[in-house]
Amino acid sequence: DAGVTQSPTHLIKTRGQQVTLRCSPKSGHDTVSWYQQALGQGPQFIFQYYEEEERQRGNFPDRFSGHQFPNYSSELNVNALLLGDSALYLCASSTGQGRFNEKLFFGSGTQLSVL
Amino acid sequence: AQKVTQAQTEISVVEKEDVTLDCVYETRDTTYYLFWYKQPPSGELVFLIRRNSFDEQNEISGRYSWNFQKSTSSFNFTITASQVVDSAVYFCALNLILSSNTGKLIFGQGTTLQVKP
Repeated sequence: DAGVTQSPTHLIKTRGQQVTLRCSPKSGHDTVSWYQQALGQGPQFIFQYYEEEERQRGNFPDRFSGHQFPNYSSELNVNALLLGDSALYLCASSTGQGRFNEKLFFGSGTQLSVL
Repeated sequence: AQKVTQAQTEISVVEKEDVTLDCVYETRDTTYYLFWYKQPPSGELVFLIRRNSFDEQNEISGRYSWNFQKSTSSFNFTITASQVVDSAVYFCALNLILSSNTGKLIFGQGTTLQVKP
């Protein structure tokens, strides 16, 4: 049973470019959340997708957008990249929109470097 | 405001020592859930334990145990007889049940645990 898979594992971009990160949730999971983890910090919630809709959003600008497909996989898009966007981007899957105590299953992340 | 604080940035112990990781949280909600996750060098966060706000019973699971005290808003995590493989970054997290009926995790800054042989 495959866990959460993310691609690519590493990415290098320059300021102003756009990037798309991909995530396939664990089998049987219908909810995907994205987190940004800066070096030496805890993960910060970006947004959550359920039933192909953004259900909740953290304190991130509109440059961060996403999508969920009918097969529950998800994409995170970041436009007009800034140096401060350099971070590990983690995808987490779960069931039930994380309403209660469902544990999240995380991928290994995409390490994004903006030069 | 909701917040999770892990005051210990780094801890270093020798193998077989017991180690306790501290976590203090802030929330006005009466219903919430607390978690501990482990992040090895591979990057993925691995679920360890969880506790809901209505159950203060402390438990032991193998080498892991936790001490949840609502009165002091603390949720400390102990590893007994530490092993080198326990070396990782440990995160405490608070799950808020939002008005939109979704949840999101608020993570602490993490504690880096180094277990030396």
